[in-house]
Amino acid sequence: GAVVSQHPSRVICKSGTSVKIECRSLDFQATTMFWYRQFPKKSLMLMATSNEGSKATYEQGVEKDKFLINHASLTLSTLTVTSAHPEDSSFYICSARAGTGTGEQFFGPGTRLTVL
Amino acid sequence: GDSVTQMEGPVTLSEEAFLTINCTYTATGYPSLFWYVQYPGEGLQLLLKATKADDKGSNKGFEATYRKETTSFHLEKGSVQVSDSAVYFCALTINQGGKLIFGQGTELSVKP
Repeated sequence: GAVVSQHPSRVICKSGTSVKIECRSLDFQATTMFWYRQFPKKSLMLMATSNEGSKATYEQGVEKDKFLINHASLTLSTLTVTSAHPEDSSFYICSARAGTGTGEQFFGPGTRLTVL
Repeated sequence: GDSVTQMEGPVTLSEEAFLTINCTYTATGYPSLFWYVQYPGEGLQLLLKATKADDKGSNKGFEATYRKETTSFHLEKGSVQVSDSAVYFCALTINQGGKLIFGQGTELSVKP
């Protein structure tokens, strides 16, 4: 199947700093990428949907100014957690979909963010 | 709103035991249903899916049948292996390939 990578796999930062997480589709062009957040023992919660070349669509309750998403190319989307605080500590997972509508989502391995 | 509920884990089984992980859903439309598996240290992988009522999805010995009357999509395997140890997520989407709504995940541990 298609491969999606995330970088970094793990990051620790100080409160107040910003952290950028990259999501790349390695062997296909991703028209759409999704960003999820996963809490311990909880399900994945969709944060936002990004389409290449346009603004991301955020889910209700997700602060767009805090979680900046950029989908500048068909193989790369970035999530920037701005002014991170300890409550932002979580596991962030991206997925990518080729084409439109009926395509399967392929998931990255996730990024563990710890904010001290 | 649309939601997915899975049985809580962890589930611990001996090798060759029968596995059932329950999943029920609530949806306003006609969802497509999925099971994803997450092996330790890896991303989620699609295990199987069903797009309409009475469809049976199957893969790697796992099966799940889309039951509209009971709004369920229980995952089963007749004989589990140690290599099946992972976290299993039930999910739905109203628009195929669109927004996925996940259950909370069920951790499976298979002992030799």
